[in-house]
Amino acid sequence: EAEVAQSPRYKITEKSQAVAFWCDPISGHATLYWYRQILGQGPELLVQFQDESVVDDSQLPKDRFSAERLKGVDSTLKIQPAELGDSAMYLCASSSGGVGDIQETQYFGPGTRLLVL
Amino acid sequence: AQSVSQHNHHVILSEAASLELGCNYSYGGTVNLFWYVQYPGQHLQLLLKYFSGDPLVKGIKGFEAEFIKSKFSFNLRKPSVQWSDTAEYFCAVTSEAFGGFKTIFGAGTRLFVKA
Repeated sequence: EAEVAQSPRYKITEKSQAVAFWCDPISGHATLYWYRQILGQGPELLVQFQDESVVDDSQLPKDRFSAERLKGVDSTLKIQPAELGDSAMYLCASSSGGVGDIQETQYFGPGTRLLVL
Repeated sequence: AQSVSQHNHHVILSEAASLELGCNYSYGGTVNLFWYVQYPGQHLQLLLKYFSGDPLVKGIKGFEAEFIKSKFSFNLRKPSVQWSDTAEYFCAVTSEAFGGFKTIFGAGTRLFVKA
């Protein structure tokens, strides 16, 4: 069964350092999502891509976070500089649905757990 | 603001007990509804989903959920839980009203089943 791949699984960094997370969606999935999940809360959408285009980044702290999906396949989420409050699980999900397709199911990767010291 | 509420943060049950986890959302238009489960050390997995049709949907591992439009609810049920159901359960709602078919998740309910 195809899965969403993410790396690294765990990342420890010091505040003010830069970190990057990678996601490879299920093959053929046009839509890719990055979520942040703080301990004790549900996932919160950071950014959504349709192919290589950003569809929604309204919740992405753009002063320090950036995301790209240059060829419309895999994606990178970067934080620079990292802050203590960024400690969380960063989840990537993908779906085959396109923009405006409400009937879509998201499939999640294992996540990257970030700890900022 | 649009929201998804899960009433219980923690639930403790004995094996064979019945389970019902509540989920309510705040938007009254067209919605898609999901329950995801996260077993210890594993990633989020889809348990079941409702798009349209029969409001009683059946998912994997004996779970089911009922969409009650008038109550804006999508509660998850299982008649007899097992120790292996220990996990965290998330309700999620997708709606155009959230801005571009965004999905909003509830805060999760952590279920612990005693053997």
